[in-house]
Amino acid sequence: GDSVTQMEGPVTLSEEAFLTINCTYTATGYPSLFWYVQYPGEGLQLLLKATKADDKGSNKGFEATYRKETTSFHLEKGSVQVSDSAVYFCALTRPPMDSSYKLIFGSGTRLLVRP
Amino acid sequence: DGGITQSPKYLFRKEGQNVTLSCEQNLNHDAMYWYRQDPGQGLRLIYYSQIVNDFQKGDIAEGYSVSREKKESFPLTVTSAQKNPTAFYLCASSSPPTRMNTEAFFGQGTRLTVV
Repeated sequence: GDSVTQMEGPVTLSEEAFLTINCTYTATGYPSLFWYVQYPGEGLQLLLKATKADDKGSNKGFEATYRKETTSFHLEKGSVQVSDSAVYFCALTRPPMDSSYKLIFGSGTRLLVRP
Repeated sequence: DGGITQSPKYLFRKEGQNVTLSCEQNLNHDAMYWYRQDPGQGLRLIYYSQIVNDFQKGDIAEGYSVSREKKESFPLTVTSAQKNPTAFYLCASSSPPTRMNTEAFFGQGTRLTVV
């Protein structure tokens, strides 16, 4: 079945360091890919998305490129801030017309940025 | 403002009781979902609904029940059959699956504790 695999955390970085959080997926067809962020005690917020191969999603300095050849959607940011500390989830959806349509999440990666 | 509202934010349940978690959305979304999140874990799908009066079991439906009598509402009942209900519950909704931009919008969550 479909699945999403993320690198285990926590990831601890100093402010202004470069961030990479790895995400790979298994799915048939051409899924849409997402990164969500969860701040403590809150729900999830969409951070960025990509709906087809080679698309690059970007938002708030974060970027991720849909790589079909490596089935990956790694999240990157050039200079993290303390306020970026949160849990990050990679997710996918099946193609829109699929009868088993639903969101599938990875296990999440906790990011802690120190001043 | 459009969005998803979950209530209550905190809920305490005695052993053997059923409790119902509320989820309401005014985004005119057809699809709605319930996820469970345990500490340090990812999101696991409990139930989802793609249309009014229809819903499907997710990966961990045992001990839970739902209804979808209105497009705006998707309440989740945690029954006494759920042996380990203490968790953070998240409700989400998304656009119809016939569209490519199918990102989900999440509520703020309900933290359920068995006492």
